[in-house]
Formats: sequence, C-alpha cells, structure tokens
Amino acid sequence: QVQLQESGPGLVKPSQTLSLTCTVSGGSISSGGYYWSWIRQHPGKGLEWIGYIYYSGSTYYNPSLKSRVTISVDTSKNQFSLKLSSVTAADTAVYYCARVELITMIVGPWGQGTLVTVSS
Amino acid sequence: QPVLTQPPSSSASPGESARLTCTLPSDINVGSYNIYWYQQKPGSPPRYLLYYYSDSDKGQGSGVPSRFSGSKDASANTGILLISGLQSEDEADYYCMIWPSNASGVFGGGTKLTVL
Repeated sequence: QVQLQESGPGLVKPSQTLSLTCTVSGGSISSGGYYWSWIRQHPGKGLEWIGYIYYSGSTYYNPSLKSRVTISVDTSKNQFSLKLSSVTAADTAVYYCARVELITMIVGPWGQGTLVTVSS
Repeated sequence: QPVLTQPPSSSASPGESARLTCTLPSDINVGSYNIYWYQQKPGSPPRYLLYYYSDSDKGQGSGVPSRFSGSKDASANTGILLISGLQSEDEADYYCMIWPSNASGVFGGGTKLTVL
C-alpha cells in the first residue's frame, strides 16, 4: 500500500523559500503511471493545486504560482519536493502531497498534510 | 482555470438524502468531463469517493458505500453527489473536481455538509 509523508519546516519567514519533501513508501516513483502532486489548503478554505511532476521530471505548475514554484523528483530516494520562493503570509496553508493515477486521474493516496506558517 | 461552483453549505437529517451540486462554467460542458468527488473530515486529508461520467462509466472508491452515488444534470451543467441514508459520519466537506485538458485538476470551493 503506497503511503506519502510530507516533511519540512513548519515556519518560514516572509520573502524566504518554503521547502517541503514528500517521501513515498510502498511503491516506486520510477514505476511510472502517476503524477506526483502538491496541493495546498489555506486555513478554513478549499483546495488549490500547486503542481505535479512525472518521474521523468516533466512538470506542470498552477499558472498563478508558476513564477515561484519548483517541483523536483529524486527517484533514488523515492521522494519529490516542492520549493516556493518569496513567500508571504498568503502562503500559510496545509500542504499536501498526493499521487494522481494517470489512467483514472484519481487523486490518492494523500499525505497527512503539513501546516506551513509564514511569519517573522 | 475554470471555476467550479459548489454551495458553501448543506444540511439534512439522518436517514434522509443529501444532494450536493457542482456547477461548471458555461464554456465547459459537464457532459465532456469526469466529475470527481472527495470527502474531507476535519484534520484529515481528502478522501476519494467516486467519479461519474455516465451511468456506464463511473467508479466508486475502495470502501466507499453504495449510498454515495454520482450523476449529472446536463440542463444545469452540473455534477451531482447524492448521499442516501445519511449518517452522522457523513458530516464533512465535499469537493468536486475536474481535469481540464492540458492543466491540473480544478477543485470546487467545497460544500460543508451538516447532518442535523
């Protein structure tokens, strides 16, 4: 059973770069057939796609965040990562990593999510 | 990116049915898309419930009761999640989602379902 787990700092200062890693267990990122995604949820709000990556390294980013987002993959560690630069308080959110099955486009499983607060 | 419109809240009593809607913008035909539904309870990530394209093309998530079903109202350009025989455990936020071509998934704003 594939499981995903986010890790990274829970507090980031304004203007700095938010960095998170998602570790995948129970399956290999390199096996193909899936997008590896980042989704966030502002406190008390809905879900927002950040972007996703294929194991080959091809990416898609939400146009509203594209200038600040980098998603990368490390197949040797079975991890993928998110970097969001020049953060502000508006980037305070729960950040989820999740898998998208390409055949069905179903999102799941999801990590438990990690709250990142942007504050000085 | 398109905006999917969901009512912010809905309520029904145990044993009744809840009909949650997801309205697509007029330039996107609901008949052309799978409509995905996710359930989120406080403190937990979303959970996939089901997708609906047509009566012959639909899929239930693993372990999701048959009380949860999907449909479409083409005249209203709307996807529908029907929850029958409501139980207290069904109280949650429900999100619809579509995958526009050449883009990421797009979520609706979510509906908070209260079981009275």
